[in-house]
Amino acid sequence: RKEVEQDPGPFNVPEGATVAFNCTYSNSASQSFFWYRQDCRKEPKLLMSVYSSGNEDGRFTAQLNRASQYISLLIRDSKLSDSATYLCVVNMVSGGYNKLIFGAGTRLAVHP
Amino acid sequence: SAVISQKPSRDICQRGTSLTIQCQVDSQVTMMFWYRQQPGQSLTLIATANQGSEATYESGFVIDKFPISRPNLTFSTLTVSNMSPEDSSIYLCSVGDGSSYNEQFFGPGTRLTVL
Repeated sequence: RKEVEQDPGPFNVPEGATVAFNCTYSNSASQSFFWYRQDCRKEPKLLMSVYSSGNEDGRFTAQLNRASQYISLLIRDSKLSDSATYLCVVNMVSGGYNKLIFGAGTRLAVHP
Repeated sequence: SAVISQKPSRDICQRGTSLTIQCQVDSQVTMMFWYRQQPGQSLTLIATANQGSEATYESGFVIDKFPISRPNLTFSTLTVSNMSPEDSSIYLCSVGDGSSYNEQFFGPGTRLTVL
């Protein structure tokens, strides 16, 4: 089983749609969680850190369920500029060091 | 967040040669990391670059192939040694704030093609 698993996508949605991405992680000791966005041929950029109580930033809502080891990202009122790959990322402590484990990413294409 | 630059931004190299990639940060940072992103894949951590000591390598990566330097808190290099076409990839450095939450921010990457 992969350490971080995501919906493979791609998700093709019209402008204005609401879209949700799901992610599961295997290590119950994971301590922090993130969603990164990666545009084509660019570096990943931190979109949101995911807090235990869930958090919202404008059109984006992230939720964490530690019991189910599940993270989600909801995007409301999709824009063309939301088209990108969304990476679910989990922080683990291994050998005394923090390290980030990346999911394979979910591709989103928003069309007019 | 810190401004991170990488040099070169891209390169095309012959097999058997080596390439050194530089990562420069505009402020002192505790943690620096090196990742690889192979075509169509997600990111894989190569190593954590420790200031003043040897890097900590992940399983599958070794110092002879990917030597790393971290002479100070704003700079690191990754060398890809004795390259083969399988090393064609994007190499990214990132910096972390050292907190337990470990948010990381990435440089623009170096796109390497090995012929």
